Amino acid sequence: AQTVTQSQPEMSVQEAETVTLSCTYDTSESDYYLFWYKQPPSRQMILVIRQEAYKQQNATENRFSVNFQKAAKSFSLKISDSQLGDAAMYFCAYSRNQFYFGTGTSLTVIP
Amino acid sequence: EAGVAQSPRYKIIEKRQSVAFWCNPISGHATLYWYQQILGQGPKLLIQFQNNGVVDDSQLPKDRFSAERLKGVDSTLKIQPAKLEDSAVYLCASSPRGRGDYGYTFGSGTRLTVV
Repeated sequence: AQTVTQSQPEMSVQEAETVTLSCTYDTSESDYYLFWYKQPPSRQMILVIRQEAYKQQNATENRFSVNFQKAAKSFSLKISDSQLGDAAMYFCAYSRNQFYFGTGTSLTVIP
Repeated sequence: EAGVAQSPRYKIIEKRQSVAFWCNPISGHATLYWYQQILGQGPKLLIQFQNNGVVDDSQLPKDRFSAERLKGVDSTLKIQPAKLEDSAVYLCASSPRGRGDYGYTFGSGTRLTVV
């Protein structure tokens, strides 16, 4: 079964600074999708960004961007100009026919 | 577009009691998922429906968990009898198609505490 590993249980960043959350995954497939989800205390999982494995170009969504290294099976999330509202749990997820989630990284934003 | 609706938001029960959760997906979404999220862990898939048929229930503890999606719209997840280790958030999600290429839309979940 596919595994997704987030090695940073907790991270913190100063407001307006940049932070990078790490994610690695294991798969033998060549065609798949990767996602970052944000889960605030309200518990609702919110899609942050999506990457198609067959695309070499890294996805970006406003202040959020990824560094996708397919050969290394690495998929990190960079948050620029961090805001207080970015504080949440962040989950990395791999998907082909179903989703596999990592254990999450709790991000604290310091005013 | 209305989101994925779930109820109740919270539930506290004693072990060996039964409980049911309800989910109404986004209109038109053919695929519905139930996930279990234990504190400190990522969500784990329990069951996936495509319309009113089960696609994957390999991780559903069938001796105590059951789920149905009558008429291919809303769904109910039941636990009977509940155990302490069932304490978790139960998330429902839906997607317009069964493939994993697009992100799911999640509901806000039901937090279950078994005492």
